[in-house]
Formats: sequence, structure tokens, C-alpha cells
Amino acid sequence: DADVTQTPRNRITKTGKRIMLECSQTKGHDRMYWYRQDPGLGLRLIYYSFDVKDINKGEISDGYSVSRQAQAKFSLSLESAIPNQTALYFCATSPLRGAGVRGNEQFFGPGTRLTVL
Amino acid sequence: GNSVTQMEGPVTLSEEAFLTINCTYTATGYPSLFWYVQYPGEGLQLLLKATKADDKGSNKGFEATYRKETTSFHLEKGSVQVSDSAVYFCALSGSNTGKLIFGQGTTLQVKP
Repeated sequence: DADVTQTPRNRITKTGKRIMLECSQTKGHDRMYWYRQDPGLGLRLIYYSFDVKDINKGEISDGYSVSRQAQAKFSLSLESAIPNQTALYFCATSPLRGAGVRGNEQFFGPGTRLTVL
Repeated sequence: GNSVTQMEGPVTLSEEAFLTINCTYTATGYPSLFWYVQYPGEGLQLLLKATKADDKGSNKGFEATYRKETTSFHLEKGSVQVSDSAVYFCALSGSNTGKLIFGQGTTLQVKP
């Protein structure tokens, strides 16, 4: 079984619709992240969370919101989807301790391909 | 702010050729540096990392050395295989939040 799962894997929606992308992990990690990937731009951070009470904006949070329902679950919502939110979305986790925060590996889910028409 | 720049792709090589993918960074302090690989249809996975200057990360025949004097972390492999075809991302983590800053990715295609 995958350690970091994302649902749905693919989604097509229309402009103005509300949509939620879900992420679950069985790695027991405290930190969770949401990124979007666009061709030629790499991955950019949307939101990140250190625990259920600690949510932080990333570099491109406008138009998105998140919810950390439990240590293992971190959801990303688009309240009113627009076409330029068409992208590949990744959830990632990392441990709080270990190699040192800056050196800790992030573990990625398989991604959700979102298309907004 | 912190940033990462990778060489433009795609890079097309024949099997057993030598690979170099250039990566340079801008950061204050002492970031950790990473190479992630994304195989078709999959999420990213860590390929190698280095956490301080002059460290060499290595894995699966790939190597990269953390060069603070040139602010670089170039990825190399002596003999590529078709199975190495993927997108490669250079990234840095420069703060205690653990946030990653990614380069734009370089697509590698290896032909038999």
C-alpha cells in the first residue's frame, strides 16, 4: 500500500465549481505540504502544515484553502475554480525530526491532475 | 529570496552516454540541496541530497556535489540507461520550515 495517497487521481470540473482534493498518509509524519506543478515552472508551494493547529500559506495560496483534519489527513480546496488552476497537484509529507529539518526528505503522493474548463 | 535554476530541457541521450544536468541556486545561509526524480505518471521521489558544503550525494549511479563557492549542485551519471528517462528536479530547503524551493525541472530522454 502507498504511504501517501491522493484522491481523486484525475478530475475535470467547470469554472466556478468548488472542489476538494484529499491527501492521506500512513507514515506518521507531522508535516504535510500541498504543491502544484505547471510545465516549465517546477513545483510551487500552496500551503503547509506542521500539525492540526498549525497551517501556513505558501508562495501561491490565493484561491486555495486547506484543512488538516487529523495528523494523517490534509485537504486542499478550491472554493471557486478557475481555468488557470488547471495543474498537477501533489501532497507531500516529512518528519519533524531526523536528519534535521532542512535536510529531511519529503515523500510525495502520486498527484491529482485537475482540469478546470 | 531563495531560488533554483536548472538547465533547459529536454535532454536526449543515447544509452551509456554521460549525463550532466546543471543546477545553480541562490540562498542565504546554509541550505540543504536535493535532486528529486519524477517517472512518468508518478509522484516525485528523492534521488539524492547533500546537507552541507562539499558533501557528495549519490544513489543509483547518480552523483552531485554541494559546491558553495559556485552555488551549484550539478547532477551527473557516468552511463545512463533507458530506465533513467524521467523529469529531474533540483531543490533546496533553506529554512526551518522544511519548505522546498524547486527548479523548473529537466526532462531526460534516453534512447536505446
